[in-house]
Amino acid sequence: QLQLQESGPGLVNPSETLSLTCTVSGVSITSSGHYWVWIRQPPGKGLEWIASIHYHGTVYYNPSLKSRLSRLIDTSKNQVSLNLTSVTAADTAIYYCATRVGGVAEALEDWGQGTLVLVSS
Amino acid sequence: SSVLTQPPAVSVAPGETARITCGGDNLGTYSVHWYQQTPGRAPLLVVHDDSDRPSGIPERFSGSNSGNTATLTISRVEAGDEADYYCQAWTGRSDHFGGGTKLTVL
Repeated sequence: QLQLQESGPGLVNPSETLSLTCTVSGVSITSSGHYWVWIRQPPGKGLEWIASIHYHGTVYYNPSLKSRLSRLIDTSKNQVSLNLTSVTAADTAIYYCATRVGGVAEALEDWGQGTLVLVSS
Repeated sequence: SSVLTQPPAVSVAPGETARITCGGDNLGTYSVHWYQQTPGRAPLLVVHDDSDRPSGIPERFSGSNSGNTATLTISRVEAGDEADYYCQAWTGRSDHFGGGTKLTVL
């Protein structure tokens, strides 16, 4: 059974870099059929798509965040990571990792439980 | 503001039918997916590809998509259906979520 587990720092200082990791179990992140997707949700607000990442190199970023995003894949740990630079209070949110199978337009079938990140000094 | 537009709130009595809309330019040309989110939980897929249900989702949940509007329909609403509902679609190079609709069961 596919499971996703997000991890993050909990608290990040403004202007610093936020590093998030999604640890995947039940399927290899190198699977050609899977996209690994990051979504966030500010407290009390709606969902915002951040990025869709395919192991073989295809990456789509939210245009409003693209200049601050980079991704990392660690096949030895079966992890997909995301870095968000120059964070501000507006980046405070629950960050979710999810997956879609078959193509970039498919539904997000599986989600992690999310990790809360607070940007504050 | 969201590319996909949802009403902020919908209220319905138990046993009645709830309809939650999602609007967007030419939305009918894209596949729309719907998610249910209860407080403190991750979203749960309830309808995919406009009108298909994942396994385990009751038949009471259905969807349609045509023109500029997609609709999630929940028949015979139960108290446990009270939640936030989000539509989502990939429109070329970006994913988009609607702003969410809070369904209240009276």
